Amino acid sequence: DAMVIQNPRYQVTQFGKPVTLSCSQTLNHNVMYWYQQKSSQAPKLLFHYYDKDFNNEADTPDNFQSRRPNTSFCFLDIRSPGLGDAAMYLCATSRDLWIGSGSEQYFGPGTRLTVT
Amino acid sequence: DQQVKQNSPSLSVQEGRISILNCDYTNSMFDYFLWYKKYPAEGPTFLISISSIKDKNEDGRFTVFLNKSAKHLSLHIVPSQPGDSAVYFCAASGGDRDDKIIFGKGTRLHILP
Repeated sequence: DAMVIQNPRYQVTQFGKPVTLSCSQTLNHNVMYWYQQKSSQAPKLLFHYYDKDFNNEADTPDNFQSRRPNTSFCFLDIRSPGLGDAAMYLCATSRDLWIGSGSEQYFGPGTRLTVT
Repeated sequence: DQQVKQNSPSLSVQEGRISILNCDYTNSMFDYFLWYKKYPAEGPTFLISISSIKDKNEDGRFTVFLNKSAKHLSLHIVPSQPGDSAVYFCAASGGDRDDKIIFGKGTRLHILP
């Protein structure tokens, strides 16, 4: 019954070694988001896709990229992970961009990234 | 600069009593507010929301109150149950279609037996 699935749940990568995190959804939602959450901090939006349209947050480092090959899947690529990129990465979906009644965000369980 | 503030990192409440989680915001353009609940090893799940045209929204044991003049909202849980132990995130969004959700840092609620 999982609606937003993230793989893997735990990922260990080496400093500077590219890593890809995966998200899939069964809700057929138009919008997919990637958030970064560090310990005891608020989730921070990195970017989102509305259908195939990509929207990068102004303060998202260039090190972070994303791909959405189809409605169901969205990937987060970290080109050269640094120690500061260790965090929980949350994928979310919503029916529409407008966050109102009936279009709330649904989150996946997250991928915890460790950088050694 | 935090636009959504949850000043209590944690809160402990006796089972059966009322839990009150507080949230303050600074951006007067926010017009939609949400509460999310997060269990360990799971993603946040939507709990309840309120539009700025209302001052109260109720859903079962959960009620959200909005005080626009004070830029303050609160989540009341009555009665508190053991399954309510979780981290609660307050979030806010503006009225435009492209406005993103801004989250607070969360408050960890412990329901004591």
